[in-house]
Amino acid sequence: QQQVKQSPQSLIVQKGGISIINCAYENTAFDYFPWYQQFPGKGPALLIAIRPDVSEKKEGRFTISFNKSAKQFSLHIMDSQPGDSATYFCAASKRAGGSYIPTFGRGTSLIVHP
Amino acid sequence: DAGVIQSPRHEVTEMGQEVTLRCKPISGHDYLFWYRQTMMRGLELLIYFNNNVPIDDSGMPEDRFSAKMPNASFSTLKIQPSEPRDSAVYFCASSKGQGSQPQHFGDGTRLSIL
Repeated sequence: QQQVKQSPQSLIVQKGGISIINCAYENTAFDYFPWYQQFPGKGPALLIAIRPDVSEKKEGRFTISFNKSAKQFSLHIMDSQPGDSATYFCAASKRAGGSYIPTFGRGTSLIVHP
Repeated sequence: DAGVIQSPRHEVTEMGQEVTLRCKPISGHDYLFWYRQTMMRGLELLIYFNNNVPIDDSGMPEDRFSAKMPNASFSTLKIQPSEPRDSAVYFCASSKGQGSQPQHFGDGTRLSIL
């Protein structure tokens, strides 16, 4: 059973366009939602994260939108650049002890054409 | 600062052999995570440690897999005997146990079992 559903599986956009990746979750125990970016041959790296008490968080060209009632959240990449080409993972995390334990989506492969 | 260091980066071995993957977490991090990444199943949490103690190993696929953390600066993931279906990229990650601290991933070990 896939606890975090991510779509689309792959995405191609033109330079300067907007990239949108969507995720949905079921377990209401999740209360921290990070996005990770992974380049080929590298491990995932934290990009941006949000808590469910806010509906939007923006960092530069990257924005997370969060809809708690619908249990959905999305990543928007404005003015997409070829250097943004990577695989993006959403995660839904729940607290365990002193840390948050993530459940990852399947990932979205983003290609930004110059 | 040195990140999470994994070794080897690539491992090719024959079915039935023992495989040992190694991880050095970031100094000062008290949580350590082992993940497996495949096209079919995405990024799966196998086991995590807090202060060198295994906390949750429910993601370990079967008894052929074992993980240890003898001290704060070293962990191993062992597969014995290995099978072709164990072929995947294995990631180690570490984090500080202070709420929503991000996980820092190593660059992974690409394991191929022939």
